[in-house]
Amino acid sequence: GNSVTQMEGPVTLSEEAFLTINCTYTATGYPSLFWYVQYPGEGLQLLLKATKADDKGSNKGFEATYRKETTSFHLEKGSVQVSDSAVYFCALWGSGTYKYIFGTGTRLKVLA
Amino acid sequence: DTAVSQTPKYLVTQMGNDKSIKCEQNLGHDTMYWYKQDSKKFLKIMFSYNNKELIINETVPNRFSPKSPDKAHLNLHINSLELGDSAVYFCASSAPRGSDTQYFGPGTRLTVL
Repeated sequence: GNSVTQMEGPVTLSEEAFLTINCTYTATGYPSLFWYVQYPGEGLQLLLKATKADDKGSNKGFEATYRKETTSFHLEKGSVQVSDSAVYFCALWGSGTYKYIFGTGTRLKVLA
Repeated sequence: DTAVSQTPKYLVTQMGNDKSIKCEQNLGHDTMYWYKQDSKKFLKIMFSYNNKELIINETVPNRFSPKSPDKAHLNLHINSLELGDSAVYFCASSAPRGSDTQYFGPGTRLTVL
């Protein structure tokens, strides 16, 4: 079945540091891939997505590239801010399944 | 205007009680979902409705019963609450059916004592 594996956190960085959160997946067919962000006390918000191989999703300085050869969708940001502190979820939407498979979430803490 | 709203935000109750969580979306979406997020932040789908019709029912105890009076509302009723039901429950919506972008509510933190 489909699955998503995400690096365990927490990840603690200083402001302006480079961020990478690893995400790999297992899926049949051609899934779409997503990153959602959950700020403290809130629901999940879509951060970015990619629907086919080699697509790059980007938003708010975050980027992730759909790599079919390595079955990965790693999240990156060149310079994190304190306001980026949140839990980040990698997710897969399998074609024809009408549901997400979420990773376990990675908590990011950015220190001033 | 809140796109997806849930009430209540917090719910504290005793084991064995019955409780409901309400969800409403004003986005005009056809499909709504319930998710459970446990204490380790693991997020799993429970149910999905499309135009009031149940389309996803994951392996959830039958103490949990979703009800969709219209396509803008999806309520979750839980009978005979157990300690293990303590979690944050999120409602979400999307349009149309099969759309891969969902909009989440703020969550309801349920604590069973």
